[in-house]
Amino acid sequence: NAGVMQNPRHLVRRRGQEARLRCSPMKGHSHVYWYRQLPEEGLKFMVYLQKENIIDESGMPKERFSAEFPKEGPSILRIQQVVRGDSAAYFCASSPAAYEQYFGPGTRLTVT
Amino acid sequence: GQQVMQIPQYQHVQEGEDFTTYCNSSTTLSNIQWYKQRPGGHPVFLIQLVKSGEVKKQKRLTFQFGEAKKNSSLHITATQTTDVGTYFCAGEPTGANSKLTFGKGITLSVRP
Repeated sequence: NAGVMQNPRHLVRRRGQEARLRCSPMKGHSHVYWYRQLPEEGLKFMVYLQKENIIDESGMPKERFSAEFPKEGPSILRIQQVVRGDSAAYFCASSPAAYEQYFGPGTRLTVT
Repeated sequence: GQQVMQIPQYQHVQEGEDFTTYCNSSTTLSNIQWYKQRPGGHPVFLIQLVKSGEVKKQKRLTFQFGEAKKNSSLHITATQTTDVGTYFCAGEPTGANSKLTFGKGITLSVRP
């Protein structure tokens, strides 16, 4: 059973471009979470999704950020018009239910 | 909002010494989870505690959930260099709909 997959692992974008981060949860997991991590910081919750539904997006900025988890395909975290402050590691985690979360390897976003 | 605190952020020990760290929540939790992140890696689930006063052991690691379900501890007996990493606690408040709040973590370094 493959683990949580995220791609790309590293992403470089110039200010003003769009960043698309993908996450394929573990097989059988219907809960997906996105977190952001800055160096020497904890994991900041962004959004929690189940298939086709956003359950909690209280940690996600209202502007420029959006997330989806379609019926088919991976979950996508989209950041429009990136700024330098968006540079961070973005982790996706999946869970079969309200239990432990399995993290992917993360996407390191660098905005130049 | 809910806060999960881990203090200090860094601790250095001599190999073979014991190590204990604590996690405190501002609100009562339905469960608490511990994760470990190696440098450059992603968080890996270690344990989940659900019951008041619960104690669980994994080899040299002992986890405890406080009686009031607002704090937790992690104790490592006879640390080894393989224990190096950042240990995060994450709490799910009662009725929080599976959303975890992570502490900032404690980064453990072990001198051989």
